[in-house]
Amino acid sequence: DTAVSQTPKYLVTQMGNDKSIKCEQNLGHDTMYWYKQDSKKFLKIMFSYNNKELIINETVPNRFSPKSPDKAHLNLHINSLELGDSAVYFCASSGDFAIQYFGAGTRLSVL
Amino acid sequence: AQSVTQPDIHITVSEGASLELRCNYSYGATPYLFWYVQSPGQGLQLLLKYFSGDTLVQGIKGFEAEFKRSQSSFNLRKPSVHWSDAAEYFCAVAPRGGGYNKLIFGAGTRLAVHP
Repeated sequence: DTAVSQTPKYLVTQMGNDKSIKCEQNLGHDTMYWYKQDSKKFLKIMFSYNNKELIINETVPNRFSPKSPDKAHLNLHINSLELGDSAVYFCASSGDFAIQYFGAGTRLSVL
Repeated sequence: AQSVTQPDIHITVSEGASLELRCNYSYGATPYLFWYVQSPGQGLQLLLKYFSGDTLVQGIKGFEAEFKRSQSSFNLRKPSVHWSDAAEYFCAVAPRGGGYNKLIFGAGTRLAVHP
């Protein structure tokens, strides 16, 4: 039973399209995150939600909009996709301590 | 500014050899410290963490790491590497306190293991 699951695993799309990535955790954690891993494997946080409230919002284009319908889900919607959005996007969650548990990632390719 | 430096981009070792991956951080106060491993095409798995106490911490898969405050370092070690250890290794820090905070990652070290 996967603790943090993301769908889809792969996403190939054209420039200008809108796409969503979904994330669900069954760990009972209050906090969820989105990270972006670029082509050089560098990982950087994008957003974090705690109990459905946005608490971290790094300098991310407003084409990216996270949505948390409940504390077990955190989705990422991306409008008007650009070539530079191609990356691997990781969802993570954490509980009372600072340990974050990661999903397997979504590889987004924008053509 | 807060940062994590992993000086070695790529390391190659022979199977059975010992391993040390370096990590230095720049932070206002001693942060929480982590090592994660990413196998090809996979997510990140926590190897070990340091919050407080004994500065030598044990993790999964036979890994250990030593926190040295004077050097702002948290180096990862393994006495005998297995071929399955080939992966990308990330050092990360997070500020103390609170259950939620952002991880700041190093650039990663890619480990290759020769038979």
